[in-house]
Amino acid sequence: GENVEQHPSTLSVQEGDSAVIKCTYSDSASNYFPWYKQELGKRPQLIIDIRSNVGEKKDQRIAVTLNKTAKHFSLHITETQPEDSAVYFCAASIKGYSTLTFGKGTMLLVSP
Amino acid sequence: IAGITQAPTSQILAAGRRMTLRCTQDMRHNAMYWYRQDLGLGLRLIHYSNTAGTTGKGEVPDGYSVSRANTDDFPLTLASAVPSQTSVYFCASSDPGMDGYTFGSGTRLTVV
Repeated sequence: GENVEQHPSTLSVQEGDSAVIKCTYSDSASNYFPWYKQELGKRPQLIIDIRSNVGEKKDQRIAVTLNKTAKHFSLHITETQPEDSAVYFCAASIKGYSTLTFGKGTMLLVSP
Repeated sequence: IAGITQAPTSQILAAGRRMTLRCTQDMRHNAMYWYRQDLGLGLRLIHYSNTAGTTGKGEVPDGYSVSRANTDDFPLTLASAVPSQTSVYFCASSDPGMDGYTFGSGTRLTVV
């Protein structure tokens, strides 16, 4: 099955800085890569996703890039704000399957 | 009901007892999932169902069972709870062509 590795496990930045979280996946048949944000005590919520036919996708201050050859994808957050502080999870699913395999998560702390 | 509802919100359970976690969705999604979330381990798939009447095993199915008698309900049963099943359990649903999962608010289960 699929295996997703996520780095770093924790990330501390100053407000206004950029943050980058990286994930690698093992199965070349994976074709859908979502990112979830989970605030303390809350449920995970989808913030952005990318499919394997696209190399980059942006939504305001967040962007995701995908390198299919290297089998890795990254989340980029620019101009970070304290409310960006949360745990972020990457995930991958194999084409034809509905189940998602998640990375272990990155705790992002944005200091004012 | 709007989205996915999980019950109970939290529960303390004696080891050896039987427990059913409830999950109901009103979005008519075909696929439903159960994940457990443990610190440092991320979200791990327990069981899933691609459509009513079918179920499948995820990464960590041992000690758990599920049923999918209809589209809306996907209960998770612990036949004889053990302390290692202490975790936060999330139910989720999705549909082909839609983006990502919709998660329930979670059940915090403590087995003592």
